[in-house]
Amino acid sequence: NAGVTQTPKFQVLKTGQSMTLQCAQDMNHNSMYWYRQDPGMGLRLIYYSASEGTTDKGEVPNGYNVSRLNKREFSLRLESAAPSQTSVYFCASSAISGGAPNEQFFGPGTRLTVL
Amino acid sequence: GNSVTQMEGPVTLSEEAFLTINCTYTATGYPSLFWYVQYPGEGLQLLLKATKADDKGSNKGFEATYRKETTSFHLEKGSVQVSDSAVYFCALSDLYGGTSYGKLTFGQGTILTVHP
Repeated sequence: NAGVTQTPKFQVLKTGQSMTLQCAQDMNHNSMYWYRQDPGMGLRLIYYSASEGTTDKGEVPNGYNVSRLNKREFSLRLESAAPSQTSVYFCASSAISGGAPNEQFFGPGTRLTVL
Repeated sequence: GNSVTQMEGPVTLSEEAFLTINCTYTATGYPSLFWYVQYPGEGLQLLLKATKADDKGSNKGFEATYRKETTSFHLEKGSVQVSDSAVYFCALSDLYGGTSYGKLTFGQGTILTVHP
């Protein structure tokens, strides 16, 4: 049981390049999330997927797109990377039980630098 | 909208000292409250949670009580260890009608360093 896995662990891009961050979970969770972590700002939600087949914008969606490929996988794409997207990106997942929030399980993160 | 405010850090303590990290929140309705911990180079792990007013969450010697009257969820530990050195995040999750999507709003994090 690996929990939440993310690839790659580290990435360096040049401005304008594109890339996709991969995330997978093996806990049969319905909901998945992408966050970015910047110094002094905590974690901010980029996009989330409440269930397979649905995605919604979070707090900071500009410059990103997502795909919920199936129940296990939720990818984050940067179409044209900018230096402002230098950050640590975390994927998370949680189960859903109606009316009650559940624990989110986090992956180890991807450290992205855009030059 | 929802927001979480944590005490400014970093916090530096000697081993066996008492720890308090303050957390206050703004939210509509009845949020659930969480403390997450991030050890160096790792992702976040849930430390404890409380889902209704006056609930006390506890784990690994850490405690926090959901105080609705003061909109607070302060983290405490009676005797810290070097291994407690980490970044601590307070967070809240709101409910939407009868279904929660579990979205979390985080505070900015507090860096704790414990010296031997």
